[in-house]
Amino acid sequence: NAGVTQTPKFRILKIGQSMTLQCAQDMNHNYMYWYRQDPGMGLKLIYYSVGAGITDKGEVPNGYNVSRSTTEDFPLRLELAAPSQTSVYFCASSYGRGYEQYFGPGTRLTVT
Amino acid sequence: TQLLEQSPQFLSIQEGENLTVYCNSSSVFSSLQWYRQEPGEGPVLLVTVVTGGEVKKLKRLTFQFGDARKDSSLHITAAQPGDTGLYLCAGANLQNSNSGYALNFGKGTSLLVTP
Repeated sequence: NAGVTQTPKFRILKIGQSMTLQCAQDMNHNYMYWYRQDPGMGLKLIYYSVGAGITDKGEVPNGYNVSRSTTEDFPLRLELAAPSQTSVYFCASSYGRGYEQYFGPGTRLTVT
Repeated sequence: TQLLEQSPQFLSIQEGENLTVYCNSSSVFSSLQWYRQEPGEGPVLLVTVVTGGEVKKLKRLTFQFGDARKDSSLHITAAQPGDTGLYLCAGANLQNSNSGYALNFGKGTSLLVTP
């Protein structure tokens, strides 16, 4: 099993550009999450999903959108990128609420 | 959001020393998880504690959940350079339907063990 995979690994965007961060898991987990991690700030939840077709906002959803058309995939869309979105983004999945979360390797995004 | 405070924020020690890091909250958690994150990678689960007062050991790492399930500690005996990383605690509150479906993460303790 590959676990949780994320692409790209690195990306540099100009202000105002858009992009999609891809996330896929092959563990048949219903729960998936997107976090951002800034230095000294821990992990902040952006969006989460409890199953295909169901998504909900986390702590810091502004400037982002998600979709969950399949159990496996949970892409994160950035529209009109801003410097404040410079961060490392992690996708995670879990079997259920409160269970161990399995994380992808992260996407390091710089907006200049 | 239920806050988890981790201390110390940074810790630099020599190989062979012992250390303890703490995770504290004013909220009660159904369970608490400890993750380790190495540079350039995602966090990886070390342990989950569920019962108040529970102690779990993972080789040289000892984890304890407070009796009131509001705090936890991680003790490392005879630290090695391979223990270097960011240690994150994360709490789940399954009793509160308004708490969302994700874990609440602390900001982490960054540990450096030098030879």
